[in-house]
Amino acid sequence: GNSVTQMEGPVTLSEEAFLTINCTYTATGYPSLFWYVQYPGEGLQLLLKATKADDKGSNKGFEATYRKETTSFHLEKGSVQVSDSAVYFCALVRSNDYKLSFGAGTTVTVRA
Amino acid sequence: DTAVSQTPKYLVTQMGNDKSIKCEQNLGHDTMYWYKQDSKKFLKIMFSYNNKELIINETVPNRFSPKSPDKAHLNLHINSLELGDSAVYFCASSQVASGGARGQYFGPGTRLTVL
Repeated sequence: GNSVTQMEGPVTLSEEAFLTINCTYTATGYPSLFWYVQYPGEGLQLLLKATKADDKGSNKGFEATYRKETTSFHLEKGSVQVSDSAVYFCALVRSNDYKLSFGAGTTVTVRA
Repeated sequence: DTAVSQTPKYLVTQMGNDKSIKCEQNLGHDTMYWYKQDSKKFLKIMFSYNNKELIINETVPNRFSPKSPDKAHLNLHINSLELGDSAVYFCASSQVASGGARGQYFGPGTRLTVL
C-alpha cells in the first residue's frame, strides 16, 4: 500500500536558518506528491505539489523536488521566519486515485 | 469567500450524546472528505463522497454516519459519543474528475471535546 514517512519533530530553529524536512514515500505507479502546512489553530493549507519525476514545487520560499530514484520529496526553505512555525505534512495520491496518504507531520518552531 | 467551511468550530458535549458537524464547499468540486486528527496531529481519512456517492469508508465505527445532500455539502453525524471521539475533524474537497493531482482543500476544522 501507500505510505509516507517524514522526519520526526519537533524541529526548533532560529530565524533566517535553513530548514529541511525529509519525506520519503512508498507507492505503486507514479503518485502526485504534496506538502501541506497547518498553522496553529487552523486547517491544512496546500503549500506545494509536484505531479511527476523531477518536478519542483515551490511556494512562499519553500521548495521540494520529486525524486523518483530516491522516492523522496524533501521540503526546504533557505531562510525561515517566525511566521513559518507550523506543522508540515507530506502526502501523496496515486494516479487515478483520490485518497491522500499523509505522513505523521513535523512540528516546526522558529524562534526570533 | 471561504472555500471550505465547517460548523461549528468548537463542540463540547457529554458522553452518550448525538451531534452533527456540517461542511460546505463553494469550489465546485465533485468530491468531499472527512478526516480525523488526533492529539498527536496524525490525520486519518474517514469517509469520501463523489457526486453524493460514498466512495471511501475506512474502518470507522458505525456510530459515525456521513450524509451528502448534494455535491457541495457533506455532513457528519455521530451517535452515542465516546471519550475517544475527542479530536479535530476536518472536511476537505477536491476535483476528482480532473484527477487527484490538484490536491485537496481543507476546512478550518471542528474541535470536538467529549466529557
